[in-house]
Amino acid sequence: AQSVAQPEDQVNVAEGNPLTVKCTYSVSGNPYLFWYVQYPNRGLQFLLKYITGDNLVKGSYGFEAEFNKSQTSFHLKKPSALVSDSALYFCAVRVPTSGTYKYIFGTGTRLKVLA
Amino acid sequence: EAQVTQNPRYLITVTGKKLTVTCSQNMNHEYMSWYRQDPGLGLRQIYYSMNVEVTDKGDVPEGYKVSRKEKRNFPLILESPSPNQTSLYFCASSQGGHRNYGYTFGSGTRLTVV
Repeated sequence: AQSVAQPEDQVNVAEGNPLTVKCTYSVSGNPYLFWYVQYPNRGLQFLLKYITGDNLVKGSYGFEAEFNKSQTSFHLKKPSALVSDSALYFCAVRVPTSGTYKYIFGTGTRLKVLA
Repeated sequence: EAQVTQNPRYLITVTGKKLTVTCSQNMNHEYMSWYRQDPGLGLRQIYYSMNVEVTDKGDVPEGYKVSRKEKRNFPLILESPSPNQTSLYFCASSQGGHRNYGYTFGSGTRLTVV
C-alpha cells in the first residue's frame, strides 16, 4: 500500500540550532513529494515540493528538503531554527488514482523551537 | 488575493441536524477536495472533484455528500451528523491533471457534533 510516514510525533530543538523533520514514503514509480506547515488555527501552507531534478529543494521561510531515492526519504531541514518555526508539519506524496491524482499525507510532526 | 474560503470557521451542532460547510476558490482551479484532520491520523480525504459535475469518493466518504455545480464552489454536506464526525475540516484546491503540483488550503472549519 502507498503510504507516508512521519516517525516523530514531536521534535524539540533549541533556537539557532539546525532542525530536521523526518519523512519516509512508500509509493510505486517516481514520487512527487511535498511539505506543508500548519500554524495554530490556520490552514496548511505549502512549503516546498520535489518533482524532479536536484535532490535538494529550497522552499519558503528558509526551509529545504533532501530527496533520497535509495532511502525513500524526504526530510525537511533548516540550518538555524527560529521560535516562529514552531508549528505542525505535514509531509505528503502525490499518487495517481482514477484518472487524476490524490495526496497521501503523513500524520504530522509538531516542531517546538525553544528560546 | 488567491485563496480558498471556508465557512463557517467554527460550528457546534446536534446529532442529526443537517449542515453544510461552504468552500469557494478564486483561482479557477479544476481540482477541489475535502479533508478531515484528526489527532494521530493526519489528513484523510473525504471527497474530491476533478471538475464541474465530476466528484468521487476519497478514503473516508461515509456520512458526507458533496456537489460541484460551479467551478469555484465545493460544499460539504452532512445530512445527519454524528459525534464521530467531530473534526477539523479543510477544503483545498489545485490545478488539474498533470499541473496538479500541490494544494491551496482553506483556513479550516472546526465542527463539533453533540
